[in-house]
Amino acid sequence: NAGVTQTPKFRVLKTGQSMTLLCAQDMNHEYMYWYRQDPGMGLRLIHYSVGEGTTAKGEVPDGYNVSRLKKQNFLLGLESAAPSQTSVYFCASSQTSGGANEQFFGPGTRLTVL
Amino acid sequence: DQQVKQNSPSLSVQEGRISILNCDYTNSMFDYFLWYKKYPAEGPTFLISISSIKDKNEDGRFTVFLNKSAKHLSLHIVPSQPGDSAVYFCAAPVNGELTFGTGTRLTIIP
Repeated sequence: NAGVTQTPKFRVLKTGQSMTLLCAQDMNHEYMYWYRQDPGMGLRLIHYSVGEGTTAKGEVPDGYNVSRLKKQNFLLGLESAAPSQTSVYFCASSQTSGGANEQFFGPGTRLTVL
Repeated sequence: DQQVKQNSPSLSVQEGRISILNCDYTNSMFDYFLWYKKYPAEGPTFLISISSIKDKNEDGRFTVFLNKSAKHLSLHIVPSQPGDSAVYFCAAPVNGELTFGTGTRLTIIP
């Protein structure tokens, strides 16, 4: 049981390049989330999904797109990377969105945009 | 507008002593509060939660206290151990989303 995994772990992009971050979970969770963490800012929600085939915007969605074609996978795309997107990206999943909404996090992807 | 606030970016505590991490919130509609722990180069891991109908929840060395009138919660770690050195985030769910504080870096001094 690997929990939540993310690939890649590190990536360096040039401004304007595109990339996709992959998140996979093996806990059969319905809900999946993408966050970014910046110094002094805590974790901020980018997009989330309440089930296969659904996506929704979070607090900071601009410049990102997501897809949830399979229940276990949640992809985060950057179509044209900007230096402001330099950050650490975390994926998370949860079984429900109610109650305490305990979320399980992946190890993160550190992205640098030059 | 930050609904969950951690006003202390860092805290240093002697090993064996009590660590107290604080969190304030503005939304009185929060039903639950959670604490997450994060080591460098790892994702956050869930530590402990508390329902808004309680004022205390304890799990081993970790206790969370909730003061609804002051809109304040705190995490107590007793006794503090070197492995407790990490960044701690408080969080609250609202509309299916988790809102996080900015975190407090706890350093346990041997």
